[in-house]
Amino acid sequence: QKEVEQDPGPLSVPEGAIVSLNCTYSNSAFQYFMWYRQYSRKGPELLMYTYSSGNKEDGRFTAQVDKSSKYISLFIRDSQPSDSATYLCAMSAEGSARQLTFGSGTQLTVLP
Amino acid sequence: GAVVSQHPSWVICKSGTSVKIECRSLDFQATTMFWYRQFPKQSLMLMATSNEGSKATYEQGVEKDKFLINHASLTLSTLTVTSAHPEDSSFYICSARGVFAYEQYFGPGTRLTVT
Repeated sequence: QKEVEQDPGPLSVPEGAIVSLNCTYSNSAFQYFMWYRQYSRKGPELLMYTYSSGNKEDGRFTAQVDKSSKYISLFIRDSQPSDSATYLCAMSAEGSARQLTFGSGTQLTVLP
Repeated sequence: GAVVSQHPSWVICKSGTSVKIECRSLDFQATTMFWYRQFPKQSLMLMATSNEGSKATYEQGVEKDKFLINHASLTLSTLTVTSAHPEDSSFYICSARGVFAYEQYFGPGTRLTVT
């Protein structure tokens, strides 16, 4: 079993839809939770981060972490064609290395 | 967010030659940089963790003699693929860790094709 599981999609939605992206994990030591967006042939771009459990909102994006269920989500409201990309969840435990463990990524297409 | 650059953005080389990829943090000092490899439609695989002034820590299964990493300064890390072979063809991405542990800023990636 992978430490982080993410539905690879692909996911296609019409413009304006609410998108829900999810990851589950098995390592209870994870404390930092990130979402990255990666356009084709580009490096990942940090979208949001959350420490421990809770919600965080930034514009059209909302990140949720439920540590009791080992489940994290990213919601995108009023999705736009420019949101079409691969979304990667990533997690990190406390410690000096703070290496990130990535999900496999979900490919999202927002249709105009 | 902080800016991380990589050079070159793409490179084609012949089998048996060596290729050096540079990763620079442009507006912050990065004591730790990471090197990843990504195959098409797959996630990032961590290859090694590079700390300024010390030897890199390689992930299991990554040949340290083949993938030479040097982190000579707080803003520069290099990855040299030695004696490259076609199976080394991939997308190589570096990242630099910022002040806060959760901050990792990624470079744009280098596409390596070995013929």
